[in-house]
Amino acid sequence: ELKVEQNPLFLSMQEGKNYTIYCNYSTTSDRLYWYRQDPGKSLESLFVLLSNGAVKQEGRLMASLDTKARLSTLHITAAVHDLSATYFCAGFAVNSNSGYALNFGKGTSLLVTP
Amino acid sequence: SQTIHQWPATLVQPVGSPLSLECTVEGTSNPNLYWYRQAAGRGLQLLFYSVGIGQISSEVPQNLSASRPQDRQFILSSKKLLLSDSGFYLCAWSTPHIVQGTEAFFGQGTRLTVV
Repeated sequence: ELKVEQNPLFLSMQEGKNYTIYCNYSTTSDRLYWYRQDPGKSLESLFVLLSNGAVKQEGRLMASLDTKARLSTLHITAAVHDLSATYFCAGFAVNSNSGYALNFGKGTSLLVTP
Repeated sequence: SQTIHQWPATLVQPVGSPLSLECTVEGTSNPNLYWYRQAAGRGLQLLFYSVGIGQISSEVPQNLSASRPQDRQFILSSKKLLLSDSGFYLCAWSTPHIVQGTEAFFGQGTRLTVV
């Protein structure tokens, strides 16, 4: 079973600053996903990382994947208030009873302050 | 394009009452379907997974059940709700995992409060 660990779980940062969220996973996963969740809302897909060395960028967010280190990062550049949300990383893996499904980290709650 | 519908959006139910949440997917065939629960505190727990009609796998034992009567319909049920069943329930679909680039897409969620 794939274990996914994110850190930090809580992050308060000032507008304009940079920061990185880390996602470590326990076993081989051939793809890694990042989602965003606004309070009271569902999950929105941000990035799909399919191979070692994959890097994707959207606006102020950039995600990367290192399958050898079993590590994905979500880098925030020059944060703005609109980025305040909870960010999840997840990987598809075989679970004990449920076959192939997405396993999620606990999420990183990001608050961007003026 | 593919869309996923989940209803109701909000539900308040008394302890011991039954539950039925429905999820339908449009624009794709033979999707993998999932039910997740997010309790207060954020973590997402996989409840059920289905690869086809009538094929349901359960990740954790609980008083919930799931059914897939049609290819693009996934139903979460309970005969008697417990207080601990409160949470945010999310339905999701994906193409089969052998498809390169597959990802999971989520419905809008149902916020269930058991009182």
